Amino acid sequence: AAGVIQSPRHLIKEKRETATLKCYPIPRHDTVYWYQQGPGQDPQFLISFYEKMQSDKGSIPDRFSAQQFSDYHSELNMSSLELGDSALYFCASSTGNSPLHFGNGTRLTVT
Amino acid sequence: RKEVEQDPGPFNVPEGATVAFNCTYSNSASQSFFWYRQDCRKEPKLLMSVYSSGNEDGRFTAQLNRASQYISLLIRDSKLSDSATYLCVVKNSGYSTLTFGKGTMLLVSP
Repeated sequence: AAGVIQSPRHLIKEKRETATLKCYPIPRHDTVYWYQQGPGQDPQFLISFYEKMQSDKGSIPDRFSAQQFSDYHSELNMSSLELGDSALYFCASSTGNSPLHFGNGTRLTVT
Repeated sequence: RKEVEQDPGPFNVPEGATVAFNCTYSNSASQSFFWYRQDCRKEPKLLMSVYSSGNEDGRFTAQLNRASQYISLLIRDSKLSDSATYLCVVKNSGYSTLTFGKGTMLLVSP
């Protein structure tokens, strides 16, 4: 069965650079979520989209933005990167009241 | 008070043991409950949904107690491959986000 696809798997950036993470949800899933997980931490909710509109906002910094496109894929844009942004970034998708299904994640390292 | 609380562990058990995890949640209006499993540096994977009537999937049994606002996971006949972090997850409404507990680490040894 198709799963949530994220790219890239690994990303290394320097401080103050920008990064764009991509997420392709499971087909026919209408909701996309972004989570950030630091070392030894539980996943922290950043932002979600339902039918291409922002549906909920969590602890997403102002330096980050995201959108969902007409084909339902989503991108997380991160600017002015800081060392503390180094983390695993997970995208998840769902439909209705179903559980979330997570992608493999993007490991971002900021040096 | 954190919205979802779990004992971080680690729980060290021998193969074949039975182990139980509990989780409490603070929002009485929470609607859906799940256990996810996460291996080191991997994505969380759905282990099972949790229903009021309780549900079982092989060696795993999940229970929900709405009155006391806690969720439990019982693992019987532990396998080495069960070693992972188990995340208690709560969803407050249909299109709301998931709220994760910090996870309970399980280490199963030979």
